[in-house]
Amino acid sequence: AQKITQTQPGMFVQEKEAVTLDCTYDTSDPSYGLFWYKQPSSGEMIFLIYQGSYDQQNATEGRYSLNFQKARKSANLVISASQLGDSAMYFCAMRTNTGGFKTIFGAGTRLFVKA
Amino acid sequence: EAQVTQNPRYLITVTGKKLTVTCSQNMNHEYMSWYRQDPGLGLRQIYYSMNVEVTDKGDVPEGYKVSRKEKRNFPLILESPSPNQTSLYFCASSFLFTGELFFGEGSRLTVL
Repeated sequence: AQKITQTQPGMFVQEKEAVTLDCTYDTSDPSYGLFWYKQPSSGEMIFLIYQGSYDQQNATEGRYSLNFQKARKSANLVISASQLGDSAMYFCAMRTNTGGFKTIFGAGTRLFVKA
Repeated sequence: EAQVTQNPRYLITVTGKKLTVTCSQNMNHEYMSWYRQDPGLGLRQIYYSMNVEVTDKGDVPEGYKVSRKEKRNFPLILESPSPNQTSLYFCASSFLFTGELFFGEGSRLTVL
């Protein structure tokens, strides 16, 4: 069965420091995509970063990078130089590209950035 | 402007009164999907559609119906709402093979 696990319900980070949000996944499909989304208190879902299962390099988008360890089935999000505006809920998600294109989400990690 | 539009944004209804939440996208996406968000559970997929007239169940389809008669629209129907369907609902769309989901603003539904 496909599954996404985010083990950190909440995390604190000091402004300007880096933080890693954990995500592990489980799938038997060899072709899949991994995503991170941000949900601020206003409620909208904001796409942050994408990693394909066949991508050789870790994805990066500005201050966001995805630490993809395929053998460990982990896809951790690293936010560098945290800002107060990074305080939000973060969701890891996975879509498999065969057998139905279902997208599943983890339970989320709430990040608090301290001034 | 590229967007996914959901209506209504907020709704309070009573048990058993049929309701429809509309979803429309203007990006010519093949893939559309409905999710519900509940505290501690993240987003759970209700139904999804890979193209017109092609729909399939997600992880929590009980009590919901969908249809995809046009590419741009994917309404969510609650035939007989119950209090356990009180939730925040999101519609999302994407191209079939690129994967990044574009989300609507969400519809907060309360069933009394």
